[in-house]
Amino acid sequence: DTGVSQDPRHKITKRGQNVTFRCDPISEHNRLYWYRQTLGQGPEFLTYFQNEAQLEKSRLLSDRFSAERPKGSFSTLEIQRTEQGDSAMYLCASSLWTGVGNTIYFGEGSWLTVV
Amino acid sequence: AQSVTQPDIHITVSEGASLELRCNYSYGATPYLFWYVQSPGQGLQLLLKYFSGDTLVQGIKGFEAEFKRSQSSFNLRKPSVHWSDAAEYFCAVGSYNQGGKLIFGQGTELSVKP
Repeated sequence: DTGVSQDPRHKITKRGQNVTFRCDPISEHNRLYWYRQTLGQGPEFLTYFQNEAQLEKSRLLSDRFSAERPKGSFSTLEIQRTEQGDSAMYLCASSLWTGVGNTIYFGEGSWLTVV
Repeated sequence: AQSVTQPDIHITVSEGASLELRCNYSYGATPYLFWYVQSPGQGLQLLLKYFSGDTLVQGIKGFEAEFKRSQSSFNLRKPSVHWSDAAEYFCAVGSYNQGGKLIFGQGTELSVKP
């Protein structure tokens, strides 16, 4: 059973450019989460999906951020008009939501550096 | 407000010594509790979890944690630390009422002296 995969692992972009990250969850996991982590901090929740439906978005997710999970499998996180403050690691995670216990498994993360 | 506090930003222990990392939470609903470990530049690996039942839970790599509801704590322990345990450790809390998403503490960086 493969884990959560993220691509690319590292991205350096110029301020103002758009970037897109892809996440492939563990197969058959119905929930997919995006978190952001800056240096010296714990991960912060951004958004999550159940199947293809986006159920919640954090206030951290500005209008420049958009996430999709079109077929309930992989997901993309796009950041438009990047700013230096967007530099962080973007973590994707997935879980099989049963309503009782929910173990969330994380990917290796995608590092973004905005120069 | 829901929060997770890890009071120790950085801990150094000698190899072979015992370890305890502290975690306190403030959460209105019945919590699920987790400990994750992160090596530099890597994602998070699940060490252990508590949903219900026995308050002492065992995890991977010889770690264990004890849920104490009266103290709102979920401290992580290991009887004998190995050099390979050096990493960042995160405590996290979630619940059914919050859609299962997690709130993380700021992390504790563990250094291991030879």
